[in-house]
This record gives sequence, structure tokens and C-alpha cells, in this order.
Amino acid sequence: EIVLTQSPGTLSLSPGERATLSCRASQSVSSSYLAWYQQKPGQAPRLLIYGASSRATGIPDRFSGSGSGTDFTLTISRLEPEDFAVYYCQQFRTFGGGTKVEIK
Amino acid sequence: QVQLQESGPGLVKPSQTLSLTCTVSGGSISSGSYYWSWIRQPAGKGLEWIGRIYTSGSTNYNPSLKSRVTISVDTSKNQFSLKLSSVTAADTAVYYCAREWIVVVPAAIDNWFDPWGQGTLVTVSS
Repeated sequence: EIVLTQSPGTLSLSPGERATLSCRASQSVSSSYLAWYQQKPGQAPRLLIYGASSRATGIPDRFSGSGSGTDFTLTISRLEPEDFAVYYCQQFRTFGGGTKVEIK
Repeated sequence: QVQLQESGPGLVKPSQTLSLTCTVSGGSISSGSYYWSWIRQPAGKGLEWIGRIYTSGSTNYNPSLKSRVTISVDTSKNQFSLKLSSVTAADTAVYYCAREWIVVVPAAIDNWFDPWGQGTLVTVSS
């Protein structure tokens, strides 16, 4: 069973700053891809990135994904007020524990 | 575009069976090569995949829940359903249904969930 570890647990940043979120898989398996989701309070998760680096439909280009093997990164180039939320990574049927991006 | 909506009782007694239905609108549940999944989230916690079904009826379940879970599909109603038996307070969560995309390339499988239903809170309590 793959374990996905997200870090940091909480990221305190100001609007306009750059956010870098990490997701590490416990093992590299045949699937070297990863998806990222954004979840706001009271809402369902929303797909941001699939295939490690492909943006989902309608996702702004300030969101980017990278990585392969066991190490993946979600970058938000310049935080907008609506970007403060919890972010989850997912591979196969496993989700990471989430990173909360909060306003500093 | 495709939309999903969960429905079912919001309160279930301990030891009873939780039953939820996901209605797919804006497209046929039978079109395309998608799986249809259930995912849950206890309050303040992360996401847990419960299981999935293909329109052929083929299913896969989370090993930790497998003995209690049944997922079925009704293509005539464009719906799929979840049954979770012998529930306890630990099964209290928001339950989401979602469409799973799967792409198979040489030496790799990529999968992701999109779209998701809005979620429905199920509380297990007497």
C-alpha cells in the first residue's frame, strides 16, 4: 500500500507570495503520475492537476505541478485570496494527508 | 458537463446499513471508459477511497472496508449506489461520489477523480 506524505502540514503565506507544496510517495510504482486537488471549507475537492503536471480544465496557470517517481510538487506562483485552502495529492486510490495554505 | 449528486439518509443507527445513491446528470454513466467511485471524509480529516464500479459491474473495494461494502450500478437510471453494513460511529463522514479517469500508458497507469459530487454528511448515531 502506497503512503503519500504531504509537507508541510500548514503553510502560512501572504497573498502574492509563492507556495510550494510537496508530496512524497513511500514507493515508486508503475504509475509515476499524481493528481492534486484543492478543497475549501464545506466544498468537495476540486481537481487541479493530473498526470503530475497537466492542469485540469479551467485551472489558472498560476498552478503548476511537477515531479516523478516518488517526489512531486505543486506550485502556486502568486497566491490569490481564493487560493487559501487545503490541498491533497492522490495516486491510485491513496490520498495524502493534506497541506493547509493559510493567510499569514 | 457531467454532474454528480449524492442522496440518502443523513442519519444511520449503529449496526445498520448505510445506503447512498449517486445520480449522474449531463451525460451517460455508460459512455466512456470511466470508473465511478465513492470517497469519504470524516470531519476535519483526510480523504479515504471506499471503492469503485465500472459500468460492466466490475468492482474494486478498499481492503479495509471490503467485508462491509457493496457498490452497484443502475445504468437505466444513470445511478450508482453504495451500501456499507454494520456501521459504527467511525463511519460518520461526508461521503462523496466521483468519476474516476484512468489512462494506461506503457509501464504506467494514471488515474484521477473529476468531477465530484457536493458530498453528503452521514452521521452514525442512535
